[in-house]
Amino acid sequence: AQTVTQSQPEMSVQEAETVTLSCTYDTSENNYYLFWYKQPPSRQMILVIRQEAYKQQNATENRFSVNFQKAAKSFSLKISDSQLGDTAMYFCAFMRSNTGNQFYFGTGTSLTVIP
Amino acid sequence: NAGVTQTPKFQVLKTGQSMTLQCAQDMNHNSMYWYRQDPGMGLRLIYYSASEGTTDKGEVPNGYNVSRLNKREFSLRLESAAPSQTSVYFCASSLSKQGMNTEAFFGQGTRLTVV
Repeated sequence: AQTVTQSQPEMSVQEAETVTLSCTYDTSENNYYLFWYKQPPSRQMILVIRQEAYKQQNATENRFSVNFQKAAKSFSLKISDSQLGDTAMYFCAFMRSNTGNQFYFGTGTSLTVIP
Repeated sequence: NAGVTQTPKFQVLKTGQSMTLQCAQDMNHNSMYWYRQDPGMGLRLIYYSASEGTTDKGEVPNGYNVSRLNKREFSLRLESAAPSQTSVYFCASSLSKQGMNTEAFFGQGTRLTVV
């Protein structure tokens, strides 16, 4: 079974600063996808960024970027120029590349951006 | 752009009552999922349907049943609600086609309280 670990239950960052959220996973698969989802107080799950395991280049989406270390099974999320709207719960997720497979989620990191 | 629609958004049940949570997606996705979210535990998979006509147990299936009514709809039934089933429930769907973007799209969630 796959497991996803987020070791930081809560984090805070000053507005405009940079913060990194950690995620590690355990799998014997070679092909898979990794995701970061954001859940603001509205409860809606919003995709932040995705990474295909076969791609060596780290994914970036505006202020969000990842540090994907396949050998170390690590997938951290860096948020630059933090904004108040970034305050949310962040979930790391793993999915194998086979069809119809399950998404495995970490327990989440609650991020607070301080004005 | 409806995406994934789940109903109801809120529900209070008495112990022993039954109810069905409805979910529909309009993105022609193959796979659908039901998760529950509890504080400190992330999202845990209850059941999933890799394709129309198939359903499989996830991590926490006890006390639940599902029906993949057609490609669009995937319902979750609680036959005899228990206080331990108090949670926020999310329906999700994904394309699940090998080689293509396979992120999960989520509904708005249902907050269920069993008293």
